Amino acid sequence: NAGVTQTPKFQVLKTGQSMTLQCAQDMNHNSMYWYRQDPGMGLRLIYYSASEGTTDKGEVPNGYNVSRLNKREFSLRLESAAPSQTSVYFCAADRGRFRNTGELFFGEGSRLTVL
Amino acid sequence: KQEVTQIPAALSVPEGENLVLNCSFTDSAIYNLQWFRQDPGKGLTSLLLIQSSQREQTSGRLNASLDKSSGRSTLYIAASQPGDSATYLCAVASYNTDKLIFGTGTRLQVFP
Repeated sequence: NAGVTQTPKFQVLKTGQSMTLQCAQDMNHNSMYWYRQDPGMGLRLIYYSASEGTTDKGEVPNGYNVSRLNKREFSLRLESAAPSQTSVYFCAADRGRFRNTGELFFGEGSRLTVL
Repeated sequence: KQEVTQIPAALSVPEGENLVLNCSFTDSAIYNLQWFRQDPGKGLTSLLLIQSSQREQTSGRLNASLDKSSGRSTLYIAASQPGDSATYLCAVASYNTDKLIFGTGTRLQVFP
């Protein structure tokens, strides 16, 4: 029972490079989220998808794009990485469609360093 | 804009102590509040969920209370153990934002 799976777990990029973080959930949940976690700032929402086929900006969307490929998968793309995007990224899934129900499941995180 | 604050930022206690972690929020129009646990290098695990109509929730040695009018929640851990060492985060779901807003967490260390 994997829950929410993120890949890769670690990545080092040079400034200007691009990459995609992958997230997949096997719980048949409707909504999915991408957060970043930085020291002293808590988790901040980057983008979310309330349901398959929809995506919306969160608190800190600049520099990122997302794709809700299907109900299971929600990817986060950095088109031109910057040092300010060095962070730990978490994907999460919730069974609710438009409102968080309180059953939020997190992946184990992807640690990204941009040099 | 909802803001969530957790005090203290860090706490170190001897095993066996009862302890209280605090969470405060600025917008009382919430529909739920959650407490999460995060172990180093890991994701978040949900501990307790309190709906806005509830005053408290209990799970084992954990008890979370909610006072919407004062914008506060507390997480009470009874008879702390070294295995409780982790970072504890609270998160609030507000009607205005409709998405979870997280506090910065309290890093707890319980030593034998």
